[in-house]
Amino acid sequence: KNEVEQSPQNLTAQEGEFITINCSYSVGISALHWLQQHPGGGIVSLFMLSSGKKKHGRLIATINIQEKHSSLHITASHPRDSAVYICAAAPPYNNDMRFGAGTRLTVKP
Amino acid sequence: NAGVTQTPKFRVLKTGQSMTLLCAQDMNHEYMYWYRQDPGMGLRLIHYSVGEGTTAKGEVPDGYNVSRLKKQNFLLGLESAAPSQTSVYFCASSYAASGPGNTIYFGEGSWLTVV
Repeated sequence: KNEVEQSPQNLTAQEGEFITINCSYSVGISALHWLQQHPGGGIVSLFMLSSGKKKHGRLIATINIQEKHSSLHITASHPRDSAVYICAAAPPYNNDMRFGAGTRLTVKP
Repeated sequence: NAGVTQTPKFRVLKTGQSMTLLCAQDMNHEYMYWYRQDPGMGLRLIHYSVGEGTTAKGEVPDGYNVSRLKKQNFLLGLESAAPSQTSVYFCASSYAASGPGNTIYFGEGSWLTVV
């Protein structure tokens, strides 16, 4: 079993819909990262969480440390949100982050 | 504002050939990483460095070597390429370890095919 599991693997939505991507992890963490991978391959960091909730524009990330679960929400989704979203667990004592396989989101106009 | 730059972006190798991927960052970061990304799997750490002159093995180091002679550069070498090394390679850097407050920056990726 992977140490970081994401669901769903693929997600298709209509423009304007509310999107939720889930991430469960089994390792101890110092932080949980959410990343966005564009169709061309580039990866950018969206959020880094150690507790609670963070918001940036239409994106919201939450984490429940006790349940080892994090969610990424996109409000009022837009075709430009189409990308692969990756969560990654950063262990506290080494540099070997563990990555989920990603969720491919397609938002149709 | 170059950030993290990888070269080359695409390369086709024959089995047994050698090559080096270059990663350069202009953010004065101490930590640099090389990952590989394969279909259906998450990014996996190959090697990393916590400063100039230091390197360490990650999750999947076999068949690869690295060097960090200058703080801004992290080189990934394949001495004798194998088809199993066909993958997309990402370099990344961060100011400190991947904990709270330390954003990780990725390069654009290098597509390597070994035939």
